[in-house]
Amino acid sequence: AQSVTQLDSQVPVFEEAPVELRCNYSSSVSVYLFWYVQYPNQGLQLLLKYLSGSTLVKGINGFEAEFNKSQTSFHLRKPSVHISDTAEYFCAVSDRGGGFKTIFGAGTRLFVKA
Amino acid sequence: ETGVTQSPTHLIKTRGQQVTLRCSSQSGHNTVSWYQQALGQGPQFIFQYYREEENGRGNFPPRFSGLQFPNYSSELNVNALELDDSALYLCASSFSGVNTEAFFGQGTRLTVV
Repeated sequence: AQSVTQLDSQVPVFEEAPVELRCNYSSSVSVYLFWYVQYPNQGLQLLLKYLSGSTLVKGINGFEAEFNKSQTSFHLRKPSVHISDTAEYFCAVSDRGGGFKTIFGAGTRLFVKA
Repeated sequence: ETGVTQSPTHLIKTRGQQVTLRCSSQSGHNTVSWYQQALGQGPQFIFQYYREEENGRGNFPPRFSGLQFPNYSSELNVNALELDDSALYLCASSFSGVNTEAFFGQGTRLTVV
């Protein structure tokens, strides 16, 4: 069975500081990994995805993530955050792609302070 | 804008009632998945429909059922509503096949009182 653990429920950070949101997964099969962002009262927006190939994945809004198979991690990073990055971030895993059953973590609330 | 629209946006029902939520897929997508997101939690997979047939189901009881229509739009039906069914219900559409990406709607906020 697949599972996702987001290691921090909340991450407060000052504007223009770097941030890392941590995600560990477990899976006995090949994995496809995703990070989604959710703004208040909205649906999910895909930030980036790892399907295969390069382990460093670049996404929208300046975010990137690194797939580490040996550590079963997929941490999300941004070198300089903005107030507008304040949102809930979800790490997710699927064994066949985003269009199939996807397991989500519990979420990390990123709060960017001025 | 993902092109996936859900209706209604908000809904209040009484325990024991039945509810139908609707989802219009992005143009060309033939697969629809439904997720339940309780307050403060991540989305949980309810089921998926492909070409009008259920194509995978999560750990939800049979009172959660669905339909997919020839135009690939979809409905989620929940019978005998319970207080714990209060949540944001998300619909996601995609093409079939591996390496695909799902596009999520804005969700329907269901409150059961």
